[in-house]
Amino acid sequence: EDQVTQSPEALRLQEGESSSLNCSYTVSGLRGLFWYRQDPGKGPEFLFTLYSAGEEKEKERLKATLTKKESFLHITAPKPEDSATYLCAVQAVQAGTALIFGKGTTLSVSS
Amino acid sequence: DAGVIQSPRHEVTEMGQEVTLRCKPISGHDYLFWYRQTMMRGLELLIYFNNNVPIDDSGMPEDRFSAKMPNASFSTLKIQPSEPRDSAVYFCASSLALRGGYGYTFGSGTRLTVV
Repeated sequence: EDQVTQSPEALRLQEGESSSLNCSYTVSGLRGLFWYRQDPGKGPEFLFTLYSAGEEKEKERLKATLTKKESFLHITAPKPEDSATYLCAVQAVQAGTALIFGKGTTLSVSS
Repeated sequence: DAGVIQSPRHEVTEMGQEVTLRCKPISGHDYLFWYRQTMMRGLELLIYFNNNVPIDDSGMPEDRFSAKMPNASFSTLKIQPSEPRDSAVYFCASSLALRGGYGYTFGSGTRLTVV
């Protein structure tokens, strides 16, 4: 069964304190791995798509990386506005499958 | 484009009542998805449509749940009768393709509380 596990469930950082979020996945064949950001009371907002091991994508203070079994979302020198829940999702190679999401990591950045 | 529009934003209903959630996808998007989010289970896919046709409804929890897409600009998710365990945030999302690198665009969700 395709599965996505994110850790930690919650992370508290001081402003400027860099860290990483983890997304481990088990899928019959990976078509793509997606990262989303979700603010309270809103729907998930698309951040990145990664397709193959070794691939990296960057956006401002965020950098996503991918290996054959997991993905990391690195947050460099975070600011309070980076506080949100970060969701990871995978899409399997099998035809007709939609995105499968992890439960997310809730990040809180204090000034 | 105004994005994916869901209504209502909040719904409180009594157990046993019928609940209808509504969604207007982004114009031109061929795929529409209904997801449910809870603390315990995270985001779960309920059903998705392609060109208004239901493709995968394996995530619909019970016969009490039904979804329709009568045209390209409107979809409904109905729960009849509702139960307290149906309380969750229900999201609608749309996409140009099932396998797009651009992911899915989500609406703001409907928070359903069944008392």
